[in-house]
Amino acid sequence: DAGVTQSPTHLIKTRGQQVTLRCSPKSGHDTVSWYQQALGQGPQFIFQYYEEEERQRGNFPDRFSGHQFPNYSSELNVNALLLGDSALYLCASSLTGGQPQHFGDGTRLSIL
Amino acid sequence: ELKVEQNPLFLSMQEGKNYTIYCNYSTTSDRLYWYRQDPGKSLESLFVLLSNGAVKQEGRLMASLDTKARLSTLHITAAVHDLSATYFCAVDLGNTDKLIFGTGTRLQVFP
Repeated sequence: DAGVTQSPTHLIKTRGQQVTLRCSPKSGHDTVSWYQQALGQGPQFIFQYYEEEERQRGNFPDRFSGHQFPNYSSELNVNALLLGDSALYLCASSLTGGQPQHFGDGTRLSIL
Repeated sequence: ELKVEQNPLFLSMQEGKNYTIYCNYSTTSDRLYWYRQDPGKSLESLFVLLSNGAVKQEGRLMASLDTKARLSTLHITAAVHDLSATYFCAVDLGNTDKLIFGTGTRLQVFP
């Protein structure tokens, strides 16, 4: 049973570019959440998708957007990249109702 | 705004010793999670605590939750080197699967 898979594993971009990160949830999970983890810090909630809609959002600017597809997979898009967007981006999937979120291995994004 | 604080931020301990990591949070929540993260790796779920007084144990780690005090603890018994990692607590804000993570506790166990 595959867990949460993310692609790509590493990505290097320059300021002002746009990036798309992808996530496939664990089989049977219907909710996908995205987190940003800067070096040496805890993950910060970006947003959550359920039934192809953004259900919740953290304190991130509109440059961060996402999508969930009918097969529950999800994308995170970031426009107009800034140096401060350099981080590990984690995708987590879950079934609602108090079950732990399962995290993917993350995409390490570096902005030059 | 929910704040989650852990202490200590860094813990260096000798093998065989016991210690406790504390996680305080600022608003009501009945769901608290503990995760482990190895350097350069993702998050591994350790414990799910869903009610006041919940206690879970796995090997040398034991977690507890006091929702009235808004406090969770992660107790380490007879530490071994393999426990070296960063440990995060995370509170589910409003029981909505939106996790607010603590600052993390970096644990190093030495011989």
